[in-house]
Amino acid sequence: AQTVTQSQPEMSVQEAETVTLSCTYDTSESDYYLFWYKQPPSRQMILVIRQEAYKQQNATENRFSVNFQKAAKSFSLKISDSQLGDAAMYFCAYRSGEGGGSNYKLTFGKGTLLTVNP
Amino acid sequence: EPEVTQTPSHQVTQMGQEVILRCVPISNHLYFYWYRQILGQKVEFLVSFYNNEISEKSEIFDDQFSVERPDGSNFTLKIRSTKLEDSAMYFCASRGLAGGPWEQYFGPGTRLTVT
Repeated sequence: AQTVTQSQPEMSVQEAETVTLSCTYDTSESDYYLFWYKQPPSRQMILVIRQEAYKQQNATENRFSVNFQKAAKSFSLKISDSQLGDAAMYFCAYRSGEGGGSNYKLTFGKGTLLTVNP
Repeated sequence: EPEVTQTPSHQVTQMGQEVILRCVPISNHLYFYWYRQILGQKVEFLVSFYNNEISEKSEIFDDQFSVERPDGSNFTLKIRSTKLEDSAMYFCASRGLAGGPWEQYFGPGTRLTVT
């Protein structure tokens, strides 16, 4: 079974600074996808960014980028120019790419609570 | 932009009562999911549903739980006899076609409180 580990329960950053959230995962599969979801106080789950395991290039979405190290099974999220609205719980998630598609459940880490200080 | 909706936003029920949580997935999606998040903990997979049947369920999803897609739009989660430990946020999610990165889109969640 796949596992996702987020070793930082809490992180804080100053507004306009950069912060990196860590995630490691364990899998024996070669085809999979990784995601970062943001959960603000409203508790809505919002997709921030995704990475396909077969792609060597790191994904980028505006101020959000990832550092995907497949051999190390590491998938960190970098938030540049942090804004107050970035304050939230961030979850790393794994999804298999094998098996035909009828399932493809997400396996989540425990989350990192990000505080942005003005 | 299409979105997943869930009702009610908050449900309070007494232990032993039945509850039905409702979800309306994105209209052209084919795969449906329920997840649960106990306060302060991680999001956990409950069940996935495709082609009118369960495709996978977790060990949490015991005989007290059931899912149904009674019409072309709604997707429901029923808990037959609620327990205190069922208190959690329940998220519905839906996804498009098979394969690829197709993301799961989450609804806003239903907060279930069992007293």
